[in-house]
Amino acid sequence: GENVEQHPSTLSVQEGDSAVIKCTYSDSASNYFPWYKQELGKGPQLIIDIRSNVGEKKDQRIAVTLNKTAKHFSLHITETQPEDSAVYFCAAGKWKNYGQNFVFGPGTRLSVLP
Amino acid sequence: NAGVTQTPKFQVLKTGQSMTLQCAQDMNHEYMSWYRQDPGMGLRLIHYSVGAGITDQGEVPNGYNVSRSTTEDFPLRLLSAAPSQTSVYFCASSYSFVWQGSYSYNEQFFGPGTRLTVL
Repeated sequence: GENVEQHPSTLSVQEGDSAVIKCTYSDSASNYFPWYKQELGKGPQLIIDIRSNVGEKKDQRIAVTLNKTAKHFSLHITETQPEDSAVYFCAAGKWKNYGQNFVFGPGTRLSVLP
Repeated sequence: NAGVTQTPKFQVLKTGQSMTLQCAQDMNHEYMSWYRQDPGMGLRLIHYSVGAGITDQGEVPNGYNVSRSTTEDFPLRLLSAAPSQTSVYFCASSYSFVWQGSYSYNEQFFGPGTRLTVL
């Protein structure tokens, strides 16, 4: 079945620095790649997503890149702030039977040090 | 809008007991799903539904049942709880639209989760 790997598992950066999280997926049929942020005690929340027909997408300090040939996609956060500290999950989605199924990576715990 | 709500927030069961985790959404979303989250493993899909009367299995469906009688509600039933089902459970919902000739589902809105412990 589909497998999504995510690295690193933990990441510490100084406030103002950039953070990069990388994911790889195994199923070439996957066509939708969201990134979620999860704060302690809460459900995940979408921060950015990208579809398979696009190579890059940016939203203010957050950007995602997709390399379909290599089957990997990355999250880039610039000018990090303490409120960016959370667990980040990548996911790969594809159509299956009645709807789109998602496989999530194991998560990256990001700590932004003031 | 309340978004996606889940009850209860916490639950402790004994092995063999049954219970139902409740999930409701008020956004008129067609797509709803259940995930479990275990340390170091991310979220894994249990079951999903694309509308009333239509459900399908995800990655880890064994030991769980679902049904969808209304657009708003998507309960998850544990028939005979086992310690391996100790986890945090999240319900999510999503709207759909047509993309490249097919229905596509994008942003999922997650509930706050239910922390279940099975002794």
